Amino acid sequence: AQKITQTQPGMFVQEKEAVTLDCTYDTSDPSYGLFWYKQPSSGEMIFLIYQGSYDQQNATEGRYSLNFQKARKSANLVISASQLGDSAMYFCAMRDYDGGATNKLIFGTGTLLAVQP
Amino acid sequence: NAGVTQTPKFQVLKTGQSMTLQCAQDMNHEYMSWYRQDPGMGLRLIHYSVGAGITDQGEVPNGYNVSRSTTEDFPLRLLSAAPSQTSVYFCASRGQGDIQPQHFGDGTRLSIL
Repeated sequence: AQKITQTQPGMFVQEKEAVTLDCTYDTSDPSYGLFWYKQPSSGEMIFLIYQGSYDQQNATEGRYSLNFQKARKSANLVISASQLGDSAMYFCAMRDYDGGATNKLIFGTGTLLAVQP
Repeated sequence: NAGVTQTPKFQVLKTGQSMTLQCAQDMNHEYMSWYRQDPGMGLRLIHYSVGAGITDQGEVPNGYNVSRSTTEDFPLRLLSAAPSQTSVYFCASRGQGDIQPQHFGDGTRLSIL
């Protein structure tokens, strides 16, 4: 069964520093996608970045990058130059492409990031 | 562009009452789904739909019904509310294509007494 593990319940980071949020996953499917979402205190879910299992390069979106290590089954989110507005809950999620019309997105339990001035 | 709209934003129910959470999207997305979010457990999939007239169960479907009569709407029904269903509920949709991310509504905070 697919599973996403986020082992850091909470983290602190100083403003302007980089931070890495860990995510490991488990799947037997060779084709899958990994997503990161941000949930601020207001509650909405904001899509940040996507990595496909066959992508040759690590995904980047502005200050967000994904450190994808396929052999280790890890997909860590790196936020560069942290800002106060980055304080939020961050979720790692996986969708496996099993050849069917799947819409199943499996989420980790999240990491609460607090950016300190 | 409204995206995914959920109503209501907040609701309090008594045990045994029934209720429908509404979800509508205006992006012509085929795929829609319902999640619940509980503390320390992330988001869990309740039901999903891959198109009008097609629905399937997710990870935690018991106590919930769904239907998909149109592409735009995907209501979630609680048949007989229980305190264990106190949660925040998110509706999401996405377009075709494996790399398409889910677009989430703002959530419905539901308390059952």
